[in-house]
Amino acid sequence: QAGLTQPPSVSKDLRQTATLTCTGNSNNVANEGAVWLQQHQGHPPKLLSYRSNNRPSGISERFSASRSGNTASLTVTGLQPEDEADYYCSAWDISLSAWVFGGGTRLTVL
Amino acid sequence: EVQLVESGGGLVQPGGSLRLSCAASGFTFSDYWMSWVRQAPGKGLEWVGRIKRDGSETQYVDSVKGRFTVSRDNAKNTLYLQLNSLRAEDTAVYYCARDELNDWGQGTLVIVSS
Repeated sequence: QAGLTQPPSVSKDLRQTATLTCTGNSNNVANEGAVWLQQHQGHPPKLLSYRSNNRPSGISERFSASRSGNTASLTVTGLQPEDEADYYCSAWDISLSAWVFGGGTRLTVL
Repeated sequence: EVQLVESGGGLVQPGGSLRLSCAASGFTFSDYWMSWVRQAPGKGLEWVGRIKRDGSETQYVDSVKGRFTVSRDNAKNTLYLQLNSLRAEDTAVYYCARDELNDWGQGTLVIVSS
């Protein structure tokens, strides 16, 4: 089943800003919005952003999500060493009746 | 505090079966759709399937249709995943997740190998 498209890797300097992208289509991202998940090595994923682009309680304000058409974005400001992780986007696909995932972006903080 | 605890993983031969469980606490289990998501070693996340609040409806990814079954027991606050006709490519950590992937368990590892 078709998935969402994410760049495999992004590298940014400490304290800089990283913007991660996630491209889908009219059946998923554009129609339903996307959630963003963070996964550190050896740990389960953690929700960073709801489909509404709001943050769950306890998630730093440095993480913000947005959407424009078929593309969802996650912006991480003031990068910290602990932000180094894999980031996944996911959206409900109304055509497939399935959650579809992006392949994940590994964020490296230099 | 929402808690999801998976169990039941292990080593199984190709063609074999396994039943995973996910014990839920900290929220009203029967109010939420529940999903299973898997992650093969070193790979990304793949949604497996989900079940409606009252268990009346299930949905699956194409690759597991006819082999895997999601069920739930709201009286026991437990989600299940029955895995049949297992293949090597089903080897993965299996996570249960609440609602729109809001909360996740720690996962249970399934290895399909002879």
